[in-house]
Amino acid sequence: GNSVTQMEGPVTLSEEAFLTINCTYTATGYPSLFWYVQYPGEGLQLLLKATKADDKGSNKGFEATYRKETTSFHLEKGSVQVSDSAVYFCALSDEGNKLVFGAGTILRVKS
Amino acid sequence: AAGVIQSPRHLIKEKRETATLKCYPIPRHDTVYWYQQGPGQDPQFLISFYEKMQSDKGSIPDRFSAQQFSDYHSELNMSSLELGDSALYFCASSPGGAPYNEQFFGPGTRLTVL
Repeated sequence: GNSVTQMEGPVTLSEEAFLTINCTYTATGYPSLFWYVQYPGEGLQLLLKATKADDKGSNKGFEATYRKETTSFHLEKGSVQVSDSAVYFCALSDEGNKLVFGAGTILRVKS
Repeated sequence: AAGVIQSPRHLIKEKRETATLKCYPIPRHDTVYWYQQGPGQDPQFLISFYEKMQSDKGSIPDRFSAQQFSDYHSELNMSSLELGDSALYFCASSPGGAPYNEQFFGPGTRLTVL
């Protein structure tokens, strides 16, 4: 079945550091890929998405590129802020549309 | 812009009781999804509805049932509650039945079973 694997956290960075959170997937067919963010005590917010190979999703300084050859969708940001501290979930959806999530990565940014 | 509404936001129940969670999708969204997120876990898909019909089913216990009504809101009914049912329950909605549609999540209902 479909699955998502993302790097374990927590990831602790200083403000303005470069962020990478790795995500790889296993899927039949051609899934869409997403990054969701969950702030403490809140629901899931879509951060960015990509629907086909080589697409780059971007939002709020975050980027991720759909790499079919490596089945990856790594999240990057050039300069993190304290306000980026949250849990980040990589996810895929197949033709059935249900989302399959990775285990989540806690990001802590220190000032 | 209107968002997905879930009620109640918090719910406390005793073991073996029943609970009903409600979800009101974004206007003109006809597809609803339910997810369960245990403490420190990733969200797990439970069930989905498209145009008032069940469209997919995941790891939903037999003690749970759900439906989507004519106004597209959905209710998740949970009976014989167990301690392990304590979780955050998310509802998401999306427009149309086309594949790969973006899902918009509600704030969640936090269920605590004592």
